[in-house]
Amino acid sequence: DVKVTQSSRYLVKRTGEKVFLECVQDMDHENMFWYRQDPGLGLRLIYFSYDVKMKEKGDIPEGYSVSREKKERFSLILESASTNQTSMYLCASSPSGARGTEAFFGQGTRLTVV
Amino acid sequence: LAKTTQPISMDSYEGQEVNITCSHNNIATNDYITWYQQFPSQGPRFIIQGYKTKVTNEVASLFIPADRKSSTLSLPRVSLSDTAVYYCLVGDKGNAGNMLTFGGGTRLMVKP
Repeated sequence: DVKVTQSSRYLVKRTGEKVFLECVQDMDHENMFWYRQDPGLGLRLIYFSYDVKMKEKGDIPEGYSVSREKKERFSLILESASTNQTSMYLCASSPSGARGTEAFFGQGTRLTVV
Repeated sequence: LAKTTQPISMDSYEGQEVNITCSHNNIATNDYITWYQQFPSQGPRFIIQGYKTKVTNEVASLFIPADRKSSTLSLPRVSLSDTAVYYCLVGDKGNAGNMLTFGGGTRLMVKP
């Protein structure tokens, strides 16, 4: 079974802190994604990566950065956390090619910024 | 990027067939149509994908008319456990971020 593991299920951080959300996948997938999910807004793509050290902005990259130094790991960084970044964050991975639309998601990290 | 439009919510009863339609008027030639299911407190799960005509798997069927401007996810004989949010996605497999851009989804409530 494909496994996408997010480092924390729940996280509470203070405004202005630098926050790291980690995601690891064990299926050698080329693509990795970070989303945030808020009530009534569905899933919104923050960043995605299609290879090591490669990244593309999604729909809402402001206030976030990402790092992909190894194929299996994709990190989301909140440079200076703000209360409007309180949300559920979901990581996903998918293979390249014909099955690229079959993404596997982690369980999510519920981040609260106080 | 093809935008998708789905009903916000639908209700059904156990044992009924449920059809959820998604509109994607600006679908491009290279775009595929993909559907995901999301239960509360979980990440979305891939259900089915198609390009044209009909695709069927053990979970659902996907109907795509010739003009590809819409698609219909069909869930046969739903049960209470099919209560979830269903997302329709349209994108080009050659562009990872494009093909996995989610819309608002359809919240399906199955009642006993």
